[in-house]
Amino acid sequence: DIQMTQSPSSLSASVGDRVTISCRASQTISSYLNWYQQKPGKAPRLLIYAASNLQSGVPSRFSGSASGTDFTLTISSLQPEDFATYYCQQSYSLPRTFGQGTKVEFK
Amino acid sequence: EVQLVESGGGLVKPGGSLGLSCVASGFTFSNYNMNWCRQAPGKGLECVSFISSLSYTYYADSVKGRFTISRDSAKNSLYLQMNSLRAEDTAVYYCAKEGSKEGSGWSLDFWGQGTLVTVSS
Repeated sequence: DIQMTQSPSSLSASVGDRVTISCRASQTISSYLNWYQQKPGKAPRLLIYAASNLQSGVPSRFSGSASGTDFTLTISSLQPEDFATYYCQQSYSLPRTFGQGTKVEFK
Repeated sequence: EVQLVESGGGLVKPGGSLGLSCVASGFTFSNYNMNWCRQAPGKGLECVSFISSLSYTYYADSVKGRFTISRDSAKNSLYLQMNSLRAEDTAVYYCAKEGSKEGSGWSLDFWGQGTLVTVSS
């Protein structure tokens, strides 16, 4: 199975901050990397697919990038509704696997 | 509008069985791969069963031999039969639609609201 390692596991930030979350795959996954946002008690929501493509309806402050097996989710200016947990996931092979999550908390 | 509505969760004793259902609407169900993913209390996400549009199936090692995924395109429905349940199967179970390779890189573009399965004596 492909292991996905996210960092950090949590971070504290303020409204307006630039936030970056990293994700590393244990082997090549091409660009088959997706990012999800999850709020407490809710289902995950797709933000970014194929490493850098913004899902319809997702604000443009969210962006994704890739370099080899390293991937980054960036929130350019954190908004109050962005406090949540973020997961990366590879869709290169089965089983689909997720990173352990990054909780973005209010500083 | 795409909708996925799960049902069938509940409390079951260790060693027992439970069947989950997911009714899909708003897209051509037969054309897409589907997944059952779960989230144990306070933990991360894990996809445990996959079924392709052509009914090829795949299971995570944690459920292989105990869970069976199936689909009925006539009813726009996805199923998960869970047998020999263990305490560690306790989780919210989500039905998730996989987008196309070209359109979404096989990402999980729509999720149901989830149904809670509790395995306890």
